[in-house]
Amino acid sequence: QVQLMESGGGLVKPGGSLRLSCAASGFIFSDYDMSWIRQAPEKGLEWISFITNSGNTIFYGDSVRGRFTISRDNSKNSLYLQMDGLRAEDTATYYCARGFDSGVVDYWGQGALVTVSS
Amino acid sequence: DIQMTQSPSYVSASVGDRVTITCRASEGISSSLAWYQQRPGKAPKLLISGASSLQTGVPSRFGGSGYETDFTLTISSLQPEDFATYYCQQGNRFPLTFGGGTKVEIK
Repeated sequence: QVQLMESGGGLVKPGGSLRLSCAASGFIFSDYDMSWIRQAPEKGLEWISFITNSGNTIFYGDSVRGRFTISRDNSKNSLYLQMDGLRAEDTATYYCARGFDSGVVDYWGQGALVTVSS
Repeated sequence: DIQMTQSPSYVSASVGDRVTITCRASEGISSSLAWYQQRPGKAPKLLISGASSLQTGVPSRFGGSGYETDFTLTISSLQPEDFATYYCQQGNRFPLTFGGGTKVEIK
């Protein structure tokens, strides 16, 4: 069955960096586009980044462009999110999600909590 | 960016009720609209894609309709496990955007 498992979350000071990983299993990872989506505490969903299956095309949301970097390693069935210049407003649960069709995602990980606080 | 406006933001309903949630896009998105269900403490789950295509395993009491700017999610007979928050999302153009969510609570 499809499984996505995020890791790397935690507490970081404003201005700091963190790298999230997402380990994929149960499907051919290299066939699928992937996204990162986040949810601030008690708030709605916010898409933040997308990468095609080959890694050749990448998009970012305005709130993270220039600070976050998405990447993938198809040989390791893994998706990454490098987060630099973190701000308090980046505090959220970060989900990796598998692309399904036209920007829609069908499977989500359990989420990784990132807390940015001094 | 395409803005997605959901209404209502909150609905109180009883088991067996029919519930309708609407989602309006700020510009036409054809049928590139998905609906997700999120139970407390859980990751969202894809219910409907392409505005009206039910995902495998999703009960038939869920239905979606709409095109371009106006979309609807209907739960024909609310069940206890349906109490959750529902989100619409457009997949027509980046940045992908979600509606603000509709929380369905027990009356």
